[in-house]
Amino acid sequence: EDKVVQSPLSLVVHEGDTVTLNCSYEVTNFRSLLWYKQEKKAPTFLFMLTSSGIEKKSGRLSSILDKKELFSILNITATQTGDSAVYLCAVDRNTGNQFYFGTGTSLTVIP
Amino acid sequence: SAVISQKPSRDICQRGTSLTIQCQVDSQVTMMFWYRQQPGQSLTLIATANQGSEATYESGFVIDKFPISRPNLTFSTLTVSNMSPEDSSIYLCSGLAPGPLSYEQYFGPGTRLTVT
Repeated sequence: EDKVVQSPLSLVVHEGDTVTLNCSYEVTNFRSLLWYKQEKKAPTFLFMLTSSGIEKKSGRLSSILDKKELFSILNITATQTGDSAVYLCAVDRNTGNQFYFGTGTSLTVIP
Repeated sequence: SAVISQKPSRDICQRGTSLTIQCQVDSQVTMMFWYRQQPGQSLTLIATANQGSEATYESGFVIDKFPISRPNLTFSTLTVSNMSPEDSSIYLCSGLAPGPLSYEQYFGPGTRLTVT
């Protein structure tokens, strides 16, 4: 059965800390892995990863994919209170239209 | 990029009634999807909205309960029929649009539905 597992489920850190969020997957016909940030209702797209070992970076956020070990990490450095959100990982397949979402990691950054 | 709007943004409905949620995209998207996010849970794909034909439903979701229309490339509706409290959820519309290198998935702001 296809699945996407994120860890930890929740995390509380202080401003300025660095956090690493994990996403592992078992999905047939893998095409890409996507990270989203969800505040309130709608998720916001962060990264799409298709190739192993190539880091994607946007400001204090970065992500990398390991297609051999079937996982990805999302790093956030120098965290700010505005980073508090649920971070979702999703996997896309070559066949069909299904996007498999993980359960999310709830990040709380306290001042 | 694509900007997606949904309406209503929220509603409180009585058991047994139906609600239709509208989704409008500001530009053409290749695919449109409807998701549900129940309290404390992640997103679950309900169906893919196909232009001019019947939607493709995921396991556990059926057309009689969640009829979907997509008359053109930029508009879709999802109806939640014969509602029960278990249908209380956030319903999200999503569109797939070409991005700089490949494609990107954009989400609408969601519709928060409470069934009493």
